[in-house]
Amino acid sequence: TQLLEQSPQFLSIQEGENLTVYCNSSSVFSSLQWYRQEPGEGPVLLVTVVTGGEVKKLKRLTFQFGDARKDSSLHITAAQPGDTGLYLCAGDVFGNEKLTFGTGTRLTIIP
Amino acid sequence: DADVTQTPRNRITKTGKRIMLECSQTKGHDRMYWYRQDPGLGLRLIYYSFDVKDINKGEISDGYSVSRQAQAKFSLSLESAIPNQTALYFCATSDHGPKGRGYTFGSGTRLTVV
Repeated sequence: TQLLEQSPQFLSIQEGENLTVYCNSSSVFSSLQWYRQEPGEGPVLLVTVVTGGEVKKLKRLTFQFGDARKDSSLHITAAQPGDTGLYLCAGDVFGNEKLTFGTGTRLTIIP
Repeated sequence: DADVTQTPRNRITKTGKRIMLECSQTKGHDRMYWYRQDPGLGLRLIYYSFDVKDINKGEISDGYSVSRQAQAKFSLSLESAIPNQTALYFCATSDHGPKGRGYTFGSGTRLTVV
């Protein structure tokens, strides 16, 4: 059973379009993070959210944490080829100071 | 130099062989982790250590062992490698819990067991 479900699993869109990917759980997160991973490299932290309803913006990326702290979304505006990669959400599901990772959304931006 | 360095980057080994993957960090972090990544399964925690004297099993520790030789070094061993241990292995560090500044990952070791 996957504790963190990410959707969609794969997404391929044209440069300039907008997109949203989702991270859902039946458990409450004490905190949630988003990472991006490129081929041949380890994941790199994008953002941490800790408060229900929190919205954080990182240039063209907008991260939202659900009010009940069970879900999160990542919205990218005007996608660029450099946004291509595997996007992973990770949460401290059990409140035990360790991260559980979702299976990821593999995003491809077509020039 | 990278903050978290993993060696080797790639390794092919035979079934039954013992193999060690090494991780060193210059972040000064107390907490270190070993994950494996498989297509469709995401990153799964093998072992973690919150300080030099602390070693804990993760969700998939069977067939693996670890050693925390110093604050900066955390190695992962496969005592007798089997083909289903073929995967991408990542070491990560953090200076405190997940509400902080997140994990710093190494570039990974691609291990193939034939």
